[in-house]
Amino acid sequence: KAGVTQTPRYLIKTRGQQVTLSCSPISGHRSVSWYQQTPGQGLQFLFEYFSETQRNKGNFPGRFSGRQFSNSRSEMNVSTLELGDSALYLCASSFAGSHEQYFGPGTRLTVT
Amino acid sequence: GENVEQHPSTLSVQEGDSAVIKCTYSDSASNYFPWYKQELGKGPQLIIDIRSNVGEKKDQRIAVTLNKTAKHFSLHITETQPEDSAVYFCAASKDEKLTFGTGTRLTIIP
Repeated sequence: KAGVTQTPRYLIKTRGQQVTLSCSPISGHRSVSWYQQTPGQGLQFLFEYFSETQRNKGNFPGRFSGRQFSNSRSEMNVSTLELGDSALYLCASSFAGSHEQYFGPGTRLTVT
Repeated sequence: GENVEQHPSTLSVQEGDSAVIKCTYSDSASNYFPWYKQELGKGPQLIIDIRSNVGEKKDQRIAVTLNKTAKHFSLHITETQPEDSAVYFCAASKDEKLTFGTGTRLTIIP
């Protein structure tokens, strides 16, 4: 069974630009969560989607947004990029009602 | 909100010895406690988890214990091997939101 896939794996953007990251969950998983990982703040929860609806949201500014499609694939968008947005963005998927989350390899975003 | 503390931040053990990593959590409503292993350039890999209605769980060389009263849980790795070298994260959850500890870099010395 294929794992969680994320595209692209690496991205370099300039301050002020926007970026869209994509996540395809494990087949059959309908819940998708996004996390930001940085050396200073560690792993922090961004938001979680289930059946195209955002169910949970972390403490990030409105520049961070996401969506989920009917096939459970998810995208997250960051607008007006700041240097501090440089991070590894991780996507995790799980079965409905299950706590067990399986992570993808992440997208490494660098903002210059 | 939930707060998870993890110790130690770094741990070096001789190959074949045991390693123990400890975490504490603040929200008594948390009921799910997973442990993840992250290798360089990869996403976190779920290695073992425990729910609040269980005190201990074991999977081959890895075990996790949970003390709900004290609100702490621990990861035990026995007979460590070089491939156990990685960063380990604990987490706590009461819904789909995982709150992570700050990680432990485990180094196995051959």
